Amino acid sequence: DIQMTQSPSSLSASVGDRVTITCRASQSISKYLNWYQQKPGKAPRLLIYTASSLQSGVPSRFSGSGSGTDFTLTISSLQVEDFATYFCQQSSTIPYTFGQGTKLET
Amino acid sequence: QLQLQESGPGLVKPSETLSLTCIVSGASISSGGYYWGWIRQPPGKGLEWIGSIFHSGSTYYNPSLQSRVTIPVDKSKNQFSLKLSSVTAADTALYYCARHSFRTWSFDYWGQGTLVTATS
Repeated sequence: DIQMTQSPSSLSASVGDRVTITCRASQSISKYLNWYQQKPGKAPRLLIYTASSLQSGVPSRFSGSGSGTDFTLTISSLQVEDFATYFCQQSSTIPYTFGQGTKLET
Repeated sequence: QLQLQESGPGLVKPSETLSLTCIVSGASISSGGYYWGWIRQPPGKGLEWIGSIFHSGSTYYNPSLQSRVTIPVDKSKNQFSLKLSSVTAADTALYYCARHSFRTWSFDYWGQGTLVTATS
């Protein structure tokens, strides 16, 4: 299985901050990396697909980059509603696997 | 607007079979371009893909669960199901159904999730 490792596991930030979360794959996954946001008691929400494409309806302050094994999710100016847990997920190879999550806290 | 809704028992006894159904509304499960899948999340932990099915019946399962999992589809009812046999406490989790898009290579719509607890 492809292992997905996110860093950091938790991150303390403030409204207005620029935030970057990293995801590393144990082998190359080309561009097949997705990012999800999950709030307590809610299902995950797709933010970014194929590394850098913004899902419809997602604010433009979210962006993604990377290819191969190293990827980043950036929030350009953190808003109150962005405090949540973020997961990366690879869809290059079955079984699809997720990172362990990054909890974004105040 | 596409919606997915999981249903099924919230409790299952160890060694028995977990059965859940995902009812899809707002789109046909037979439309091309999508797989329909199950993902679970143990309390306080990360996400694990269980498996996915195409409307033709083609399935892909996580090898770690393959011996215990089946995902049948019922196109007439626009729904698909999850059956996980020989459950243990380790199968206690929040179970989500989701749509996997060929175009975006991602899970773009999710159900709200249903908690299943394996307990005697």
